[in-house]
Amino acid sequence: AQRVTQPEKLLSVFKGAPVELKCNYSYSGSPELFWYVQYSRQRLQLLLRHISRESIKGFTADLNKGETSFHLKKPFAQEEDSAMYYCALTYLMDTGRRALTFGSGTRLQVQP
Amino acid sequence: GAGVSQSPSNKVTEKGKDVELRCDPISGHTALYWYRQSLGQGLEFLIYFQGNSAPDKSGLPSDRFSAERTGGSVSTLTIQRTQQEDSAVYLCASSLADRPNYGYTFGSGTRLTVV
Repeated sequence: AQRVTQPEKLLSVFKGAPVELKCNYSYSGSPELFWYVQYSRQRLQLLLRHISRESIKGFTADLNKGETSFHLKKPFAQEEDSAMYYCALTYLMDTGRRALTFGSGTRLQVQP
Repeated sequence: GAGVSQSPSNKVTEKGKDVELRCDPISGHTALYWYRQSLGQGLEFLIYFQGNSAPDKSGLPSDRFSAERTGGSVSTLTIQRTQQEDSAVYLCASSLADRPNYGYTFGSGTRLTVV
């Protein structure tokens, strides 16, 4: 069965420090992975997708199939990066449709 | 509308009562999803609607939970005989097609508290 694991519930760093939010997955099919972010009092929103190979707000994530990981990284954290981050994976349901499954989330706190 | 709209934003109910949560997706989005967000539990998939096809109910935690989508647009999630463990934020999301990699747009959620 598909599973997304985010081992850290809370990650606290100082402003300007590098950030790495860990995400590991298990899935027998071809994975499609995403990072979603939820800022305080805001809606959950898509941050980036592995298929786009994009950098959003300075964040990048590389899919490592060998390690089954999709860690989120940023070289220099900013206070406005403080939020809840969810890693997500699409999987094929028994119905033949695709849906997203989410990890339990990591709260990033960037201290001044 | 411009985004996914959910109502009410907050709901406090007594144990044993029924509740209805509403989701109004983005116009034209054929796929609609309900998730439950509990403290420390992440996001739990509940149910998925795609167009006029039968919904995928595989995530509903018990038969007290049901959902419908009328006219391929507005959806209502109903919880009967609510229990304290039902307390959570219920999130609705919609997407353009049956492909999550198009990106989900989430509503702001309904915070349900069962007392």
